[in-house]
Amino acid sequence: SQQGEEDPQALSIQEGENATMNCSYKTSINNLQWYRQNSGRGLVHLILIRSNEREKHSGRLRVTLDTSKKSSSLLITASRAADTASYFCATDLGYSTLTFGKGTMLLVSP
Amino acid sequence: NAGVTQTPKFQVLKTGQSMTLQCAQDMNHNSMYWYRQDPGMGLRLIYYSASEGTTDKGEVPNGYNVSRLNKREFSLRLESAAPSQTSVYFCASRETMNTEAFFGQGTRLTVV
Repeated sequence: SQQGEEDPQALSIQEGENATMNCSYKTSINNLQWYRQNSGRGLVHLILIRSNEREKHSGRLRVTLDTSKKSSSLLITASRAADTASYFCATDLGYSTLTFGKGTMLLVSP
Repeated sequence: NAGVTQTPKFQVLKTGQSMTLQCAQDMNHNSMYWYRQDPGMGLRLIYYSASEGTTDKGEVPNGYNVSRLNKREFSLRLESAAPSQTSVYFCASRETMNTEAFFGQGTRLTVV
């Protein structure tokens, strides 16, 4: 079974708006990672947040982690049409496996 | 930088045929992975290799075998393809646990 579940499944916004997507997971983790996938392409790593971190920033990306609620959120500020993609969270339990959720499809309209 | 290279990019098989998907990475990573991606199912782990010389089953290993040929290469074999194995297959690698993964561009496999 999949460890992480993203919410919402799909999100449609206008350019310039912020996009927030959430990830919930079931068991304790070493770290949580977010990836992006453009249509038909491989996944690209965006950001890794460790279990002892609460917030991390990278450019227009902000990730939070709440281990007590077993949840994480990815915020993309000032979205652009080029941000249109699917976004996946992945949980790293420290056993060498990396388990992905089903993803959130983000559509940013000009 | 090549990163993770998968071959072939596309393949059509008839039911019962066999084939091997190849994956190679040039980043000297220890861990390598094979995932399949189906609509609405996200990525599911088929097999992984934590380090050269070891392989382990993931979530959906039935119908597949793997070989960690050396540190660079990790192949996935379908011995007798079935329509249920129609999917997009991704190979990934990373230095070790607790690090980011790098993905290949995928192999789109159709079994008819």
